[in-house]
Amino acid sequence: DAGVIQSPRHEVTEMGQEVTLRCKPISGHDYLFWYRQTMMRGLELLIYFNNNVPIDDSGMPEDRFSAKMPNASFSTLKIQPSEPRDSAVYFCASSFARRFGEQYFGPGTRLTVT
Amino acid sequence: RKEVEQDPGPFNVPEGATVAFNCTYSNSASQSFFWYRQDCRKEPKLLMSVYSSGNEDGRFTAQLNRASQYISLLIRDSKLSDSATYLCVVNQDSNYQLIWGAGTKLIIKP
Repeated sequence: DAGVIQSPRHEVTEMGQEVTLRCKPISGHDYLFWYRQTMMRGLELLIYFNNNVPIDDSGMPEDRFSAKMPNASFSTLKIQPSEPRDSAVYFCASSFARRFGEQYFGPGTRLTVT
Repeated sequence: RKEVEQDPGPFNVPEGATVAFNCTYSNSASQSFFWYRQDCRKEPKLLMSVYSSGNEDGRFTAQLNRASQYISLLIRDSKLSDSATYLCVVNQDSNYQLIWGAGTKLIIKP
């Protein structure tokens, strides 16, 4: 049984470049979440989708961040242009609607912006 | 006051001991609660869910105290592999919002 899949696992890029993070949720899950984790701020919810529709994007830091979910098995988080303060681990998670709090996380993408 | 508060620790505990830590929450309307564990440089993983008064799974017991608005996690016969950060999560089901605590770091020593 495949879990949540994220790619790439590591990304190093220069300030100003576009970064695209990818996620494949667990098949059959209704919800998909994007989180960011840093030592200073802990785990922060950026945005979540229900049945491919964005429900709450209030955690998206600014317009440089955008997320899409074109179908039930794929989502992207894009940062354009990237800045050094975006360096963090980005997690994707998914869950069933009836078990909203029981989330399954992917291994994360460790992003470093120089 | 933070919505979900945890003692950051670290809790340094000898192997085989029992350890417990609490998580307090501010919203009395919270309906369900979760404990996740996160190993260093890994993703959070669900440990236990609490939908009523408590839950038990092997060496792990979670207890909910609605009157005092806290949830506890008890680990018996601790193992070296229990060393991790334990994250408390509170679900305000009415608006599908999860509130994450900052985590309690546990170190089990041989």
